[in-house]
Order: sequence, then structure tokens, then C-alpha cells
Amino acid sequence: EAQVTQNPRYLITVTGKKLTVTCSQNMNHEYMSWYRQDPGLGLRQIYYSMNVEVTDKGDVPEGYKVSRKEKRNFPLILESPSPNQTSLYFCASSLNTPSSYNSPLHFGNGTRLTVT
Amino acid sequence: AQSVTQLDSQVPVFEEAPVELRCNYSSSVSVYLFWYVQYPNQGLQLLLKYLSGSTLVKGINGFEAEFNKSQTSFHLRKPSVHISDTAEYFCAVTLRNQGGKLIFGQGTELSVKP
Repeated sequence: EAQVTQNPRYLITVTGKKLTVTCSQNMNHEYMSWYRQDPGLGLRQIYYSMNVEVTDKGDVPEGYKVSRKEKRNFPLILESPSPNQTSLYFCASSLNTPSSYNSPLHFGNGTRLTVT
Repeated sequence: AQSVTQLDSQVPVFEEAPVELRCNYSSSVSVYLFWYVQYPNQGLQLLLKYLSGSTLVKGINGFEAEFNKSQTSFHLRKPSVHISDTAEYFCAVTLRNQGGKLIFGQGTELSVKP
């Protein structure tokens, strides 16, 4: 089954403790992206990647890192999490960039992160 | 820079009533437009998209949207809603052939009551 898989679904951690949220897709998509969803703010893009070893900042990259060493995986790293990073995170992928013709995003089921 | 505004944060309706969820965007260049739906505790699913051609776009579950270039709008409609349509709906825009950014609106919570 074609899908985007995020792990874990839920994560509670403390301020300053490094964590990684994994994202994997099995559709051979070139484009992958991370969003955070906060009430009243919709989804805001954190980082995206147009191919292996190519990553770019989205609108809210501060406090996050990503890597794209292989096509299927796009982990999100929080080196020193803070309470303002408490949010619902989504990974998404598409065949080409979203601005390409007919390349809609496929989303994972989300990771709810709480930083205390 | 492009932006998306969803004019209603919450829309309560009764079952079998029609509904319209409003979306306006701002961009000086050509865009692609999308509506996504998020059911409780799930990720987002594509509902429909406007890429080119006919301005009336039909999607899944009986939804449709109309692209209005002069009013820079892409409103979502359904003539008769069901309880199962209760979800959050997001409008999104990207610039044609210009990179990897997809900008989402703030979301509209559709609540269908019996």
C-alpha cells in the first residue's frame, strides 16, 4: 500500500532533550516536506526537500533540522526542543514539487509532540 | 508572496443542507489551488485540485470548487452534506512551476449536525 509513515504518533519529552521524528514513503517520491499544525494557524511548512541531499527552509525552520540521505526517508530533528515546539507535525511527499503539474501531496498520519 | 485566507474558522450546518467554505488567495502569478480534508486524528487527504482548464472542479465525496480568477477565490461547495463530512478543510496554493512551497490557509471546521 502506498503510504507515508511517521513515527512515533505521540511523543512527550522535556525541554532540551534531542529527539527525531522519522518519516518514510514507499512511492519513490522526489519531494518531501514537514509541516506543523497549530490551532488557528493552519499548516506551516518547516523544511522541504526536492531530492536526495537537497533541502530548503520553509516558513518556520527555526529550531529544526532535517536530512535527506536517501530518497525514502526524511527525518525531522529537534536538537534542543522547547515548549513552543509543542505541536502536531505532518510529513508529506509528492512525485515532483507541489508546483509541478498534477503532483498532489500525500500526508502521513501525524506526530503529536508535547515538550514540557 | 502568495497567501491564503479561509474566511470562516467554523461552519455549523444541518445534515442535508448545502454548504460553502470560502477561500481567497493572493498572488500576482499563476497558481495551482487545492482543497484538503482532515478527518479527526488523521492526516490530510486531497479533496480536489485546480490546475488548468475548466474553472469548475469536481472532487471526491460530492464536493466541487470554482476557481474565480478575477475575485482570486476558490470556494468549496457541496449541495447536501452528511454527518460524515464533519472534518477540517484546508485550502492551499502553490505558484506554477516555481519551487517547493505549498501555502495552506488556516482551516475551516465543518460541523454537520443531525
